[in-house]
Parts: sequence; C-alpha cells; structure tokens
Amino acid sequence: GAGVSQSPSNKVTEKGKDVELRCDPISGHTALYWYRQSLGQGLEFLIYFQGNSAPDKSGLPSDRFSAERTGGSVSTLTIQRTQQEDSAVYLCASSLGGKRRKTQYFGPGTRLLVL
Amino acid sequence: AQTVTQSQPEMSVQEAETVTLSCTYDTSESDYYLFWYKQPPSRQMILVIRQEAYKQQNATENRFSVNFQKAAKSFSLKISDSQLGDAAMYFCAYRSSAGNTGNQFYFGTGTSLTVIP
Repeated sequence: GAGVSQSPSNKVTEKGKDVELRCDPISGHTALYWYRQSLGQGLEFLIYFQGNSAPDKSGLPSDRFSAERTGGSVSTLTIQRTQQEDSAVYLCASSLGGKRRKTQYFGPGTRLLVL
Repeated sequence: AQTVTQSQPEMSVQEAETVTLSCTYDTSESDYYLFWYKQPPSRQMILVIRQEAYKQQNATENRFSVNFQKAAKSFSLKISDSQLGDAAMYFCAYRSSAGNTGNQFYFGTGTSLTVIP
C-alpha cells in the first residue's frame, strides 16, 4: 500500500514568512509524529498525535511552531514568521496506535530553506 | 530522559566485507524497543531492523543483524557482505514500551557509512 507522503518536497521561503508543511500518513495509522533534522544532525522530536487524544507538543521549539491533524489523518505543520535557523528537513512518520505502535514509517521529508 | 549515543560519525567498508556500527543508550526502563533506521541520500528513512528488549535472541534480517547486550545497554548493527546500496546514514533509535512515555522515539546522531567498491 501507499506509504507516508509529504508535500512539498522542497520549500524556499523568505525570513518572516509563514509556511505550511503537509503529511499524509499510512491509512489506518492512528499515531503521527513530526521531526526536524538539521544538517548533519539526528532527528529532533517536535510533536506527536494519537487518535483523538491531546497531542504531545513537548518538542516544539517555540510558539511559532504549531501543528494540527484533521479527521485523525492528514497533518499540517505550520511555522510562523520563519527564521533562518528553521532551515532543516522536516520528517513525518506514522505508526499503529496503542501497544502495537512499535515501528514508525517515515515520509520522504520536506526540505525547508529560509533565506 | 533516554539518550542514544552513536560514537562513530563516519565509517567505511570495502564492498563484500563486514562492518559493525555501534550504539549505546541510557535508560532506567526494563522493557523497550530498539531500532536501526537507514537514511540514503533520498532522505527516506527506512527501517532496517528492530529488537524487543525482552527478547534475548538477537534480531536478524538477511545481511543485517544486531548484537544486543542489555546489561551493557549496547545495540550494535552488523552488516555482512556489504553492498554499494548500503551506503547511507544509519540511525539508532530507542522507544519505551510504557504507556505515556512511549510517545517519543529517541534517535542517535547517526553514522555515515561509505561502501568502497
């Protein structure tokens, strides 16, 4: 079946602009994660959604970052007033929920460049 | 919080040879999951292998196997008969099996593997 998809693949924006990044998880996966990967670094956890529960936002670096998940499926990560340090690859992953959520399956990521 | 350490930023291996990538982690939990993910230049993170902490037997997937030493909190990845397509960044990851704390995966900083023809 289809994997996790993300759009756009690449995004170039000017400092101060808002951007929206989209993630379509694998059908049937109730858990969804957003990560940030800066150049040459590991993955930094941003936010986690599980079903209709309140999201775990503990990884969001500032209040300029927000995310929502509509209908328990598609998720949008929004970065307001972008800064150059926001430049990174943003990865989305999904997994089954509950105790079965052993493995995350990743999308190809969105590479964000803030000029 | 759990931490995952990959002490080898870069590794290289001759094609058809064997290479071992190191990973250590720090946790006070007894039940958890460990993973190795591969990220080629395409950026797509691909699951290589998974190990449940309660299982004593080391996981194996074709040419990939792990050496899981629970007491030492070590989880190394062995790639046998290395192929050019194995060249990628490899990330070690930890996830708790506990309810609320199982939300996050903790990733190491990665090891860049080069395969020499």
